[in-house]
Amino acid sequence: DAKTTQPPSMDCAEGRAANLPCNHSTISGNEYVYWYRQIHSQGPQYIIHGLKNNETNEMASLIITEDRKSSTLILPHATLRDTAVYYCIVRKTGTASKLTFGTGTRLQVTL
Amino acid sequence: EPEVTQTPSHQVTQMGQEVILRCVPISNHLYFYWYRQILGQKVEFLVSFYNNEISEKSEIFDDQFSVERPDGSNFTLKIRSTKLEDSAMYFCASREEMSNQPQHFGDGTRLSIL
Repeated sequence: DAKTTQPPSMDCAEGRAANLPCNHSTISGNEYVYWYRQIHSQGPQYIIHGLKNNETNEMASLIITEDRKSSTLILPHATLRDTAVYYCIVRKTGTASKLTFGTGTRLQVTL
Repeated sequence: EPEVTQTPSHQVTQMGQEVILRCVPISNHLYFYWYRQILGQKVEFLVSFYNNEISEKSEIFDDQFSVERPDGSNFTLKIRSTKLEDSAMYFCASREEMSNQPQHFGDGTRLSIL
């Protein structure tokens, strides 16, 4: 699976949009981009995923560049409960493919 | 919304003892996984399971580990003879059959080996 690069930490004011970047320059055509987050030591929580089109759900939006070498997770109105470690993971489709977690971005939402 | 449930939430065991961690995956899911996270470290893949057999396992998943789906609802991880270094959070995950669908995780079992 392609390796991803994320900033180690980011801050965001409550109520503002949080834009979390991810580089995946070696992504291949059959690999999806998945975003998860982990609050404290809870289980990773699925947020959103995409292949090449931008995606939106009730939690977030995912913007993938046209060359697919990077993406941005957008939390439109961050709250204190969005403070967590956010993981960008690229995974091949097919069979049971595992998720390979990096160190992620620690997002701190402040008042 | 359906969720993956794991029991117990915290397990304390003496070194050398056997331990079984239990998971109930989401009911229509067909792929099952175990991951672990040692305190302060990354989430690491242990094993994936489909159609009643192991699909893939990591180097961590040695002969001391085994997985089983004993009935239609449970998925278990057994550690035969625990070591101090097995202390970690263990997460179960499950996924639908369509290969691009995401894995959904339980809240984990904290395993403490004394």
